[in-house]
Amino acid sequence: KNQVEQSPQSLIILEGKNCTLQCNYTVSPFSNLRWYKQDTGRGPVSLTIMTFSENTKSNGRYTATLDADTKQSSLHITASQLSDSASYICVVTLSGGSYIPTFGRGTSLIVHP
Amino acid sequence: DSGVTQTPKHLITATGQRVTLRCSPRSGDLSVYWYQQSLDQGLQFLIQYYNGEERAKGNILERFSAQQFPDLHSELNLSSLELGDSALYFCASSPSGAGGRGANVLTFGAGSRLTVL
Repeated sequence: KNQVEQSPQSLIILEGKNCTLQCNYTVSPFSNLRWYKQDTGRGPVSLTIMTFSENTKSNGRYTATLDADTKQSSLHITASQLSDSASYICVVTLSGGSYIPTFGRGTSLIVHP
Repeated sequence: DSGVTQTPKHLITATGQRVTLRCSPRSGDLSVYWYQQSLDQGLQFLIQYYNGEERAKGNILERFSAQQFPDLHSELNLSSLELGDSALYFCASSPSGAGGRGANVLTFGAGSRLTVL
């Protein structure tokens, strides 16, 4: 079982609408959580990073939230654009040890005009 | 341009063959990670090198090997290729190998798409 679960697996929305992507994780102890955006056939690009003590982090139209108690994070996209069509990947890194990030399988977002 | 360079971008080969994928990390980054992404799958961690030494191993097959050279570039060698090895192979780099809020910011290359026929 993947230690980082994302939902929904895929999502289709109309341009201009908002959407929220979910990430639940079981890995611990927790160091930080990142959201990446991966365009088709390209490498992932970091959107936000949050540590244990941070609840919210914004990057333009992207807002990530973190609840370290329930081990849940969400990525909210406001006023979606066609260029938001991509896979959004939640990545959790443990503290201690080798600090290898654990990747979720991603949510595939399609924005239609 | 992320600063992480991967070559080749595309590679088509036959089963049983051997290929080498190359990665140059972002300037100043000491750590290199290799990931495999099969069609519609998440990124699977293969192996990490830090300053020339193997730091961590993931789900890397025995047919695969990697190394990081003194100039910090890395190569991933895939041998006895099978159809199931067809995938995107990503290299990522980070400033250090462990610790800290920003230390493991991964910067990804554009990937090498391997097709095994």
